[in-house]
Amino acid sequence: EAAVTQSPRSKVAVTGGKVTLSCHQTNNHDYMYWYRQDTGHGLRLIHYSYVADSTEKGDIPDGYKASRPSQENFSLILELASLSQTAVYFCASWNSGNTLYFGEGSRLIVV
Amino acid sequence: GQQVQQSPASLVLQEGENAELQCNFSSTATRLQWFYQHPGGRLVSLFYNPSGTKHTGRLTSTTVTNERRGSLHISSSQTTDSGTYFCAIGGSALGRLHFGAGTQLIVIP
Repeated sequence: EAAVTQSPRSKVAVTGGKVTLSCHQTNNHDYMYWYRQDTGHGLRLIHYSYVADSTEKGDIPDGYKASRPSQENFSLILELASLSQTAVYFCASWNSGNTLYFGEGSRLIVV
Repeated sequence: GQQVQQSPASLVLQEGENAELQCNFSSTATRLQWFYQHPGGRLVSLFYNPSGTKHTGRLTSTTVTNERRGSLHISSSQTTDSGTYFCAIGGSALGRLHFGAGTQLIVIP
């Protein structure tokens, strides 16, 4: 079973502060993704990466940066957190199979 | 962009009843997948079904590509089936998914 772990699992941040959400996978998957989920809605893709040291913009990249320093690690960075970025963030990985493996989510509250 | 619409938005069943969840999408490009979100938030993949019918346990996924629709059938529902079911349509890479808003299922004993 593929393992994707996220940290922190929850965080309260102040408006204008910097937030880093981390994701680690242990199955040598090439592709990694960051999605956000707003209450009562589906997931939307923020950034993704298919190789270390490279990231791509997803559907809603504004206000977010991503970093893939190694195959195992993928971070999502909010340089200036805003109230509208309050959400649950999910990391996922995939490698040519038909299953996307999700982490357990990081709940971010910006105050 | 890709639009994914799910219906119903919510559904309440008595244990043992069947459920039919619908998914309609705007493009013929599918890579349709179904996910289940536990009440605690964890997401698991149920089906990858670009076309045709697939079964696993009490779940059946049917995708009719040329009609731009998919469905998830749950037979003999159990309380542990409660949660939210998402339909998602893929892009060029499997993980580039467009999600519907989900169907929240509540199964009462």
